[in-house]
Amino acid sequence: DSGVTQTPKHLITATGQRVTLRCSPRSGDLSVYWYQQSLDQGLQFLIQYYNGEERAKGNILERFSAQQFPDLHSELNLSSLELGDSALYFCASSVEVNSGNTIYFGEGSWLTVV
Amino acid sequence: ELKVEQNPLFLSMQEGKNYTIYCNYSTTSDRLYWYRQDPGKSLESLFVLLSNGAVKQEGRLMASLDTKARLSTLHITAAVHDLSATYFCAVDRRTSGSRLTFGEGTQLTVNP
Repeated sequence: DSGVTQTPKHLITATGQRVTLRCSPRSGDLSVYWYQQSLDQGLQFLIQYYNGEERAKGNILERFSAQQFPDLHSELNLSSLELGDSALYFCASSVEVNSGNTIYFGEGSWLTVV
Repeated sequence: ELKVEQNPLFLSMQEGKNYTIYCNYSTTSDRLYWYRQDPGKSLESLFVLLSNGAVKQEGRLMASLDTKARLSTLHITAAVHDLSATYFCAVDRRTSGSRLTFGEGTQLTVNP
């Protein structure tokens, strides 16, 4: 158990809908990351927050947004869902903002869009 | 654009044998991560390599980093069935914040 908690673990929704994925980082970690894992794209970095502020942005679609709250938990919002958004979405956390720290991954949220 | 390539992508080996997984990357970096993933599960951190020549070992796994060659290796010694999993390397460039670029993963199967 990495200490990173994600909910829900599984989610099935229809195209065009909106979902919210939630993440609680490890105790003491200020940095939260979101990654997407799919068969065709592999593991892709989406976005990083540090202590409530966006710090790095990857291949995140405009239909997707994220935020980190004062209690450091984070949410990833996915809207106007398409079949291709079906994937495993990981949240991860680390102590610091910059590279060189161990990054711990949660169990992931399986999203299926039908 | 940073590219990370692993080889082999599939590896089937017998228990007791040794083998090496290679991770090549296209842009200068001295931040290299190795992760293990069991099917449908999370990514487990194995090693974080932070400098040229870094070598780390844990059990039957040993990882090294050669930043000049832009190459990291994950060496498996005397493989056992429990090591069967997919192994990913990931590179982090020294830019603002932290973002990992992952390789495709090496699916390792250790046969009795």
